[in-house]
Order: sequence, then C-alpha cells, then structure tokens
Amino acid sequence: GENVEQHPSTLSVQEGDSAVIKCTYSDSASNYFPWYKQELGKGPQLIIDIRSNVGEKKDQRIAVTLNKTAKHFSLHITETQPEDSAVYFCAASQHYKLSFGAGTTVTVRA
Amino acid sequence: DVKVTQSSRYLVKRTGEKVFLECVQDMDHENMFWYRQDPGLGLRLIYFSYDVKMKEKGDIPEGYSVSREKKERFSLILESASTNQTSMYLCASSLWGTTRDSRATGELFFGEGSRLTVL
Repeated sequence: GENVEQHPSTLSVQEGDSAVIKCTYSDSASNYFPWYKQELGKGPQLIIDIRSNVGEKKDQRIAVTLNKTAKHFSLHITETQPEDSAVYFCAASQHYKLSFGAGTTVTVRA
Repeated sequence: DVKVTQSSRYLVKRTGEKVFLECVQDMDHENMFWYRQDPGLGLRLIYFSYDVKMKEKGDIPEGYSVSREKKERFSLILESASTNQTSMYLCASSLWGTTRDSRATGELFFGEGSRLTVL
C-alpha cells in the first residue's frame, strides 16, 4: 500500500517568515495530494490539494508543489501568522483511500 | 456548511467493555470513514463505507467493526475494548467516489473527534 513520510515533525517559525513541510510517497499510481490543517480541539480541515496533472497550486499565502518523478510534494506557507499555528497533515491517494503522513506541528512565534 | 457530528467528545471505558462511537453527517454524502489518530502515526483508516450497508476494511480493522444502516449515520464498534485502543477517533464523510473503483477523491469533512480512554 501507499506509504507517506512527512518532515519535519515539528516546526517553529518567527511570525512573518515562511514555513515549508515536505512529504514523500511510495506509490507511483497516486494522483491526488491534499493537505489538511488541524487546530487544537478540532478535526482536520482541507486547506489545499493538488492533482497529478498539475505541478504547482497557490491559494493566497499557501502553495503546494508536486514532483511526480521524485514522488514528493511540499506545502509552503508565506508570511506566517499566529493563526497558522496548528498540526498539518499531507496525504496521497489514487482513489477513495487516503494515506496520511504523521503530521507536522507548526508553531508561529510572535 | 457540512457538519459531521460525533456523539461523544470524551469517553472512559474499562477493558472488555463494548463501545459504540456514533457519527452523523448532514450533507447526504455517500462515503463515510473512521480514522484513528495517534501521535507520530498520523491518521490511520479503520473502516470505510461507500453506501448504506456497505463497508470495507481500512489499514487497521482488527478489533473494530462498523455499522451503516442509514446513509447519514456510521457507527464504530469496539466489541471488547482493550488498552491499546485508547486513542482519538475521527469520523469523516466525502461526496466523491461512489464505488471502490472510483479514481477521484474529494474533500474529507471531519468531525471534532472522540477521545477514548480504556482503563
């Protein structure tokens, strides 16, 4: 089955700086790569996703890049703000079943 | 807004007890899921249902069963709870992919989670 590795496990950034989270996947047939954000006491919520026919996608301060050859994808958050502090999960799938990474706890320091 | 409601936020049970975790969604989604969240392990799929009375095993189904008698409700059952089932349980629903062969996956909408402690 699909195996998704996520790094780093924790990330502390100064407010206003950028944050980057990287994921690798094992199944070359995977074609859908979403990112979820989980705030304290809440369930994860989709923040951005990318499909395999696209190399990059941007939505305001967040962007995702995909390198299918190397089987890795990354989340970029620019101009970080306190509300970006959360746990972020990457995931990969080719159909209904998502395989999630272990998560990255992001802390934005004021 | 899609709402996925899990009946209990916090439960404490004893080893050997039967535990029911209930989940209800209000957006007529075909797919419903139960995940388990543990630190350092991310979210792992326990069971999936793509239609009423249909279910499929996920990555870690051992010790669990599920029930989907109505489209909006998906229940996770621990027949005999054990301490290694202490965890956060997340229910989710999605609209895409009405069959197991669907090549499309859509957004998962999660509930707020049920934290189960087994003593």
